[in-house]
Amino acid sequence: GNSVTQMEGPVTLSEEAFLTINCTYTATGYPSLFWYVQYPGEGLQLLLKATKADDKGSNKGFEATYRKETTSFHLEKGSVQVSDSAVYFCALRRGNQFYFGTGTSLTVIP
Amino acid sequence: KAGVTQTPRYLIKTRGQQVTLSCSPISGHRSVSWYQQTPGQGLQFLFEYFSETQRNKGNFPGRFSGRQFSNSRSEMNVSTLELGDSALYLCASSPDPNQETQYFGPGTRLLVL
Repeated sequence: GNSVTQMEGPVTLSEEAFLTINCTYTATGYPSLFWYVQYPGEGLQLLLKATKADDKGSNKGFEATYRKETTSFHLEKGSVQVSDSAVYFCALRRGNQFYFGTGTSLTVIP
Repeated sequence: KAGVTQTPRYLIKTRGQQVTLSCSPISGHRSVSWYQQTPGQGLQFLFEYFSETQRNKGNFPGRFSGRQFSNSRSEMNVSTLELGDSALYLCASSPDPNQETQYFGPGTRLLVL
């Protein structure tokens, strides 16, 4: 079946630290991969996406590369800010349906 | 362009009651999906509607149902509420089911006592 596994949180970092949130997936065929972000009290917003192997999605300083050989789509940012505090969801889309990970809570402290 | 709106934002119900949640998609979007978000399970897909027809359904009991109207607005209904139905219910819209990007509303937080 199709599923997404992402690292458990919560993650707490100091401002300007390097961020990695791991995400691996199981899917038939070649899914599209996404990272969504959810700020407190809000719905999910698309952060970035990649639609085929070796694609790199990027937005707002965040990056993730679609690695077919390791079935991974890890989220990275070189220098986090307090405003990046949120819950991050990795997701895949296969057959017109989305499958989400359980979310990773990130808190960035000044 | 206004985003996805969901009403009400918060609800408190008791076990055995039923509840109806509403979602208005972005203007021009005809596909609406519903998700249940809980701390332990993350987001779980409930169902998807397009042109008033249910296209996909997740693995939820029959107590969960939905519909879509001709103006693309959607409602979901949960009957005979259980404590475990307490969750944030999210609606997402897209122009059509083939579009990969979904736009989420802020959700309706349901608490079942």
